[in-house]
Amino acid sequence: GAVVSQHPSRVICKSGTSVKIECRSLDFQATTMFWYRQFPKQSLMLMATSNEGSKATYEQGVEKDKFLINHASLTLSTLTVTSAHPEDSSFYICSARWGQGGRFDTQYFGPGTRLTVL
Amino acid sequence: AQSVAQPEDQVNVAEGNPLTVKCTYSVSGNPYLFWYVQYPNRGLQFLLKYITGDNLVKGSYGFEAEFNKSQTSFHLKKPSALVSDSALYFCAVRGHGHIPTFGRGTSLIVHP
Repeated sequence: GAVVSQHPSRVICKSGTSVKIECRSLDFQATTMFWYRQFPKQSLMLMATSNEGSKATYEQGVEKDKFLINHASLTLSTLTVTSAHPEDSSFYICSARWGQGGRFDTQYFGPGTRLTVL
Repeated sequence: AQSVAQPEDQVNVAEGNPLTVKCTYSVSGNPYLFWYVQYPNRGLQFLLKYITGDNLVKGSYGFEAEFNKSQTSFHLKKPSALVSDSALYFCAVRGHGHIPTFGRGTSLIVHP
């Protein structure tokens, strides 16, 4: 299957700092990438949909100024958590969409990033 | 609107026994259905998907899922469970042109 990487896998930062997480589709071009947040033993919460070359579409309740998303190329999307606070600590997962809109349209997920804000 | 339900938070099964993880869905038009597995502190891994055709879909690691249009279900199955199958399983549904909607997940625990 398609491969999606995420970096870093784990990050610990101080409150007030900003953290950038990268998501790359390694063997296919993804015009659309998604960012999710997952709390312990809970399902995925879609934060935003990232389209290459345009602004991300944020889900209701997600602060776009706090969670900056950039989709600079067909293989790279970044999520920057600005001025992080302890409540931002979570598991962040990206996914890349393959087969845009067609029958074979499938999402492939990165391995996730564990963010801990002290 | 599309939705997916995984009615069981947890499924317990003994190693070697068959397992079923349930999923029902609601979507306009023909559904595209997916199963993913998540191991601790890892992202989701794609297991299988239903697009059209045979109602029984075979996927990775010996898993299969049965599409039942009349019951709007897409249950995940495996004939003989392994301890290593213990993980969190997510069902997802997508209508044509839509972003997938994920279920809340079912924790599968396989006992030795």
